[in-house]
Amino acid sequence: RKEVEQDPGPFNVPEGATVAFNCTYSNSASQSFFWYRQDCRKEPKLLMSVYSSGNEDGRFTAQLNRASQYISLLIRDSKLSDSATYLCVVGPPGGGNKLTFGTGTQLKVEL
Amino acid sequence: NAGVTQTPKFRVLKTGQSMTLLCAQDMNHEYMYWYRQDPGMGLRLIHYSVGEGTTAKGEVPDGYNVSRLKKQNFLLGLESAAPSQTSVYFCASSYPRETSSYEQYFGPGTRLTVT
Repeated sequence: RKEVEQDPGPFNVPEGATVAFNCTYSNSASQSFFWYRQDCRKEPKLLMSVYSSGNEDGRFTAQLNRASQYISLLIRDSKLSDSATYLCVVGPPGGGNKLTFGTGTQLKVEL
Repeated sequence: NAGVTQTPKFRVLKTGQSMTLLCAQDMNHEYMYWYRQDPGMGLRLIHYSVGEGTTAKGEVPDGYNVSRLKKQNFLLGLESAAPSQTSVYFCASSYPRETSSYEQYFGPGTRLTVT
């Protein structure tokens, strides 16, 4: 089983739609969780950290389910500019800086 | 601040040639990393450093060497390039001690082709 698994997509959605991505992780002792965004042929950039209580940043909502070992990202009112690959990222047990990156879920928002 | 910069941006090597990729950061970060990204594989950690003068192996270290002689610079060396090392290489940095944040900041990448 991969340490971090994501559906590669692509998810093709119309502008204005709500879309959700899930990601599962294998190590129940993992301490930190993130969503990164990567545009085509660009570097990954942090979108948001994921906290145990769930957190929201504008149109983006991230949630963590420790019991089932998955994290989710919900994007409301999708914009064309949201088209990108979204990387699920998990930190090591006990904390620390060695992050494990998922292979990413591709989102295409269309007119 | 320039953030994290990488040189070169593109390079084509012949099998057996050597090269060094340079990463520089101006954010006073303690930790630096080298990743490679291949289609369908995601980002894989090659080597990392938790401070000046220290380096450690990551997930896929074979065929690469690194050095961190100055806090702001992290060099990745390929001594004898192989076609399997064709990839996009990203450098990243993290952990400014004053915030204890684990967020990693990435450079723009180096696209390397080995023929």
